[in-house]
Amino acid sequence: EAQVTQNPRYLITVTGKKLTVTCSQNMNHEYMSWYRQDPGLGLRQIYYSMNVEVTDKGDVPEGYKVSRKEKRNFPLILESPSPNQTSLYFCASRPGQGNTEAFFGQGTRLTVV
Amino acid sequence: GNSVTQMEGPVTLSEEAFLTINCTYTATGYPSLFWYVQYPGEGLQLLLKATKADDKGSNKGFEATYRKETTSFHLEKGSVQVSDSAVYFCFLDSNYQLIWGAGTKLIIKP
Repeated sequence: EAQVTQNPRYLITVTGKKLTVTCSQNMNHEYMSWYRQDPGLGLRQIYYSMNVEVTDKGDVPEGYKVSRKEKRNFPLILESPSPNQTSLYFCASRPGQGNTEAFFGQGTRLTVV
Repeated sequence: GNSVTQMEGPVTLSEEAFLTINCTYTATGYPSLFWYVQYPGEGLQLLLKATKADDKGSNKGFEATYRKETTSFHLEKGSVQVSDSAVYFCFLDSNYQLIWGAGTKLIIKP
């Protein structure tokens, strides 16, 4: 079954404690991206990757890091989480540019206290 | 720059009512337009799409027509059901620039 898998689904952590949210896709997609979803703001892109070892900043990259060492995985790293990073996070992948459907993970609800 | 504007929610309707959720955009070039739906507690799923002017996307009774002259991609359904309650996102794809609307929460009452 084609899918994008995120882990964990829920996470409560404390300010400053490094964390990683994993994302994996089994569709051999080139393009992967991370979004955060906040009330009234819709989805905002954090980082995206057009292929292995190619990553670029989205609209709200501050406080986040990503890596793309292999095609299927695109982890999101928060080196020093802060309360304003409390949000719902989605990973997405798609084959390439334009005209193509994006597949989304189930989401990770992160709370930073 | 590119942008997407969706009507604010929540939109509350009775079952079998007619639905319209407005979406307008600004874009350079010829973007593709999508509607995604997010059911409670789930990720986003593609609902329908249109890749060029005058295309009509349709799925599950929902329709949207890509109108270049009015830069719109309004989502419509003739008779909504309680199971349509969800958040709907309009989405623009112009090469690698991806722009999301803020989302419209739809509540359908029996």
